[in-house]
Amino acid sequence: DAKTTQPNSMESNEEEPVHLPCNHSTISGTDYIHWYRQLPSQGPEYVIHGLTSNVNNRMASLAIAEDRKSSTLILHRATLRDAAVYYCILLSGSARQLTFGSGTQLTVLP
Amino acid sequence: DAGVTQSPTHLIKTRGQQVTLRCSPKSGHDTVSWYQQALGQGPQFIFQYYEEEERQRGNFPDRFSGHQFPNYSSELNVNALLLGDSALYLCASSSGQRVNTEAFFGQGTRLTVV
Repeated sequence: DAKTTQPNSMESNEEEPVHLPCNHSTISGTDYIHWYRQLPSQGPEYVIHGLTSNVNNRMASLAIAEDRKSSTLILHRATLRDAAVYYCILLSGSARQLTFGSGTQLTVLP
Repeated sequence: DAGVTQSPTHLIKTRGQQVTLRCSPKSGHDTVSWYQQALGQGPQFIFQYYEEEERQRGNFPDRFSGHQFPNYSSELNVNALLLGDSALYLCASSSGQRVNTEAFFGQGTRLTVV
């Protein structure tokens, strides 16, 4: 699987938008971009995924660069419950496993 | 829907012993994968079970083995426990072998080897 690069940590103020970046310069044309998050003392939780177009769901938005070499997970209004480690993962269509990197530790300040 | 359930939640074992962890997948899911998460690191893939067979395996020794039952539930067995096996063990379920949809994780079993 292609490699992703994320900042180790980020901070945000409560009720403000958060933009979590992910670089994936070696992405192939068939790789999907997935985001998972892991809250303290819990298993990872699916957030969103996309291929080429920007995606929105109830949890977040995913903005994908035109060349697909980077993407940004957007939390529109951060809450204290959004404090977690966020993982950006590339998956081919035939993938059977999730390959987690170190992720970004998001701290939300009250 | 109970989601993915794992048991036990915590476990303490002695080096050299054997341990069995259990996982019930989300309703409607037929595929179970196991991950090991050491403290401060991301989860690492151990193996995946589908149709009661191991379909893919990560870089883990043969001491790690598993089983899937006809009702899709699964067990992870670890023999000859080492101190380094201390970790959070996560079970994930999905529909079909491919993970290019949403995978659901349980809360994990915290294994401590002393």
